[in-house]
Amino acid sequence: KAGVTQTPRYLIKTRGQQVTLSCSPISGHRSVSWYQQTPGQGLQFLFEYFSETQRNKGNFPGRFSGRQFSNSRSEMNVSTLELGDSALYLCASSFTPNYEQYFGPGTRLTVT
Amino acid sequence: AQSVTQPDIHITVSEGASLELRCNYSYGATPYLFWYVQSPGQGLQLLLKYFSGDTLVQGIKGFEAEFKRSQSSFNLRKPSVHWSDAAEYFCAVGLNSGGGADGLTFGKGTHLIIQP
Repeated sequence: KAGVTQTPRYLIKTRGQQVTLSCSPISGHRSVSWYQQTPGQGLQFLFEYFSETQRNKGNFPGRFSGRQFSNSRSEMNVSTLELGDSALYLCASSFTPNYEQYFGPGTRLTVT
Repeated sequence: AQSVTQPDIHITVSEGASLELRCNYSYGATPYLFWYVQSPGQGLQLLLKYFSGDTLVQGIKGFEAEFKRSQSSFNLRKPSVHWSDAAEYFCAVGLNSGGGADGLTFGKGTHLIIQP
């Protein structure tokens, strides 16, 4: 079974721009979570989607948003990028919420 | 809010020696507990999980972990490490709410170095 895939793997953007990251979960998994990983803050929960509904959101500003499609694929968007948004963005999928999560390789976002 | 503490930022172990990585959590109820490993430039790989039942859980790559409720700990162990075990290890806690989904809370990680 194929794992979680994330595209693109690397991205360089300029301050003020917006970016969209994509995640395809493991086949059969209906829950997708997003995390931000930085050297200073570590791994932080962004939000989770299940059946196209956002179930919960971490402590991030409204510039961070996401959505999930009917095929369980998910996208996250960051608007008005700031230098501090530079991070590894990890997507994780699980069968349903409260099952173990399996992570993709991440998207490395660099904001200049 | 729940929290996870991994007291050791770096640990150096000789190849073939035993390993124990510490993890303590703070949470009002019994959470779901996980250990993940991350190699440079990679995502996180699930090593093992504890949901309920037997407090000693076996995982992949020869790892095991023991849940101790009285100590709020979930330490990871391996009897004999290999050079390929060098990586960053993360302990994580999830809510055992039976219906909610609040994401995983991660520790800051322990960087494992293997000496030849």
